[in-house]
Amino acid sequence: AQTVTQSQPEMSVQEAETVTLSCTYDTSESDYYLFWYKQPPSRQMILVIRQEAYKQQNATENRFSVNFQKAAKSFSLKISDSQLGDAAMYFCAYRPRSDGSEKLVFGKGTKLTVNP
Amino acid sequence: DTGVSQDPRHKITKRGQNVTFRCDPISEHNRLYWYRQTLGQGPEFLTYFQNEAQLEKSRLLSDRFSAERPKGSFSTLEIQRTEQGDSAMYLCASSDMDNNQPQHFGDGTRLSIL
Repeated sequence: AQTVTQSQPEMSVQEAETVTLSCTYDTSESDYYLFWYKQPPSRQMILVIRQEAYKQQNATENRFSVNFQKAAKSFSLKISDSQLGDAAMYFCAYRPRSDGSEKLVFGKGTKLTVNP
Repeated sequence: DTGVSQDPRHKITKRGQNVTFRCDPISEHNRLYWYRQTLGQGPEFLTYFQNEAQLEKSRLLSDRFSAERPKGSFSTLEIQRTEQGDSAMYLCASSDMDNNQPQHFGDGTRLSIL
């Protein structure tokens, strides 16, 4: 069974600084998607960034970038120039590309606090 | 694009009662998903529809739970004879059939069992 592990229940960062959130996963599949979702308090979950496993280049979206290490099954999220609005729960998620399952498998999340 | 809409936002009920939640996906999306999220945990998959067909169900979906999507548009999730352990946030998501498209989530329905 696929599993996703986020080893940092909570992280904090100073405004304008950089923070990295960790995620590891376990799968026997070779082709899959990885995602980072952000869930602000009492608000809907939104997609931050996505990585396709067959792509070697790390995905970037403005201030958000990932470090995808396929052999190590690691998928960390780096947030640069942190802003107060970045404060939220961040969930790492996995989905296989080709086994017919459409479900996302989520980690337990990391609560990010941004200090002014 | 009005986003995924869920109703109600919050439901409080007594143990043993039946509850029904509704999800309206993004209009052009033919895939619809239900997840459950308990406090301090990530969302857990419950079930998935492609159009009106329920294609995948989790073992978490006991016989007290039933989901429908009769016309391939909105979906309902019903929980019969609610139990304390059913207290959770129930999230709905939708996506396009293209495998490259991500799932878009609604605000969720928070269920509290008294």
